[in-house]
Amino acid sequence: GDSVTQMEGPVTLSEEAFLTINCTYTATGYPSLFWYVQYPGEGLQLLLKATKADDKGSNKGFEATYRKETTSFHLEKGSVQVSDSAVYFCALIVYGGATNKLIFGTGTLLAVQP
Amino acid sequence: KAGVTQTPRYLIKTRGQQVTLSCSPISGHRSVSWYQQTPGQGLQFLFEYFSETQRNKGNFPGRFSGRQFSNSRSEMNVSTLELGDSALYLCASSLGSSGRANEQFFGPGTRLTVL
Repeated sequence: GDSVTQMEGPVTLSEEAFLTINCTYTATGYPSLFWYVQYPGEGLQLLLKATKADDKGSNKGFEATYRKETTSFHLEKGSVQVSDSAVYFCALIVYGGATNKLIFGTGTLLAVQP
Repeated sequence: KAGVTQTPRYLIKTRGQQVTLSCSPISGHRSVSWYQQTPGQGLQFLFEYFSETQRNKGNFPGRFSGRQFSNSRSEMNVSTLELGDSALYLCASSLGSSGRANEQFFGPGTRLTVL
């Protein structure tokens, strides 16, 4: 079945460090890929998305490129801030029917220290 | 534009009771999906409603049910609560048309604690 695997956390970084959170997927069709972020005590916010191979999603300094050949969608940011501390979820939707079912990875906790 | 609202934000129930959670989607959105978030199982899809019809269902027992009203507001119900039902229940709304641009917007969630 369709699934998402992302790196285990927590990831602890110093402010201004480079961030990579790995995400790989398995899908029977052609998925759209997403990164969501969850701040403490809140719901999920869409961070970025990519809907086809080689698309690059970007937002707030975060980027991720849809790599069909490696079935990956790794999240990167060049210089993290304390305010980026949150849980990050990689997710996919496989379109082809009338459904909006998001399949999530397990989440990666990012802690940025000043 | 107002976001997705969920009520109540917090609930405490005891085993065997039932509970109803409510979700009001963004105006104009016709699809509402529900997810359960727990530390052990992560985020799991419960069901999706579109135009008052259940369009997709996850792998949860029949104690979990939902419905959608003509104004797109949705409720989910859990009967005969178990300790393992303690979770954050998230609602997401979207326009609902199938297609790649169909972004889902999440509410803040309802934190359910079963004692």
